[in-house]
Amino acid sequence: DTAVSQTPKYLVTQMGNDKSIKCEQNLGHDTMYWYKQDSKKFLKIMFSYNNKELIINETVPNRFSPKSPDKAHLNLHINSLELGDSAVYFCASSQTLSTDTQYFGPGTRLTVL
Amino acid sequence: GQQVMQIPQYQHVQEGEDFTTYCNSSTTLSNIQWYKQRPGGHPVFLIQLVKSGEVKKQKRLTFQFGEAKKNSSLHITATQTTDVGTYFCGYNTNAGKSTFGDGTTLTVKP
Repeated sequence: DTAVSQTPKYLVTQMGNDKSIKCEQNLGHDTMYWYKQDSKKFLKIMFSYNNKELIINETVPNRFSPKSPDKAHLNLHINSLELGDSAVYFCASSQTLSTDTQYFGPGTRLTVL
Repeated sequence: GQQVMQIPQYQHVQEGEDFTTYCNSSTTLSNIQWYKQRPGGHPVFLIQLVKSGEVKKQKRLTFQFGEAKKNSSLHITATQTTDVGTYFCGYNTNAGKSTFGDGTTLTVKP
């Protein structure tokens, strides 16, 4: 059973399009995150949610809109995609805000043409 | 805000050689974690250190947290090809923010 799952695994799209990535965790965790990993493998936090509430928005453009319908799901919608959005996006979860172990999903490789 | 600097960015070793990656912060950290990301994979939690001077071992991996809690290291003894990947240090705040170093990518030549 996959603890943190993401769909799709790969996403190829044209500039200007809108796309969504879905994330689900079956660990019963309270806290979920979105990370962006660029081509140099730098891993940067974008958002963190705790019990469906936004906690951290790390100066991400407002073209990115996370949504947490319940604490097991954290989806990421991206409007007006740009070339610079090409990256691998990882979802992660942790038991609570103060729990340090994070469990990462398999990642979604987004390519914007 | 706080940042962690990780060095080296890349390390190429012959199988059987040792490997060390270092993580440095300009400020005191409450904790440090280490993750490993295999090529094409996702980060996987290895360990967390919280005490000053703490040393933990996992088979051939030795993790240290500095006395001042401003630096940490991961040492691998006698590398194997299964050790290839990118190793990240990072820390969390209670506010839900995680910061990672830029990672050290290890390649091992058989």
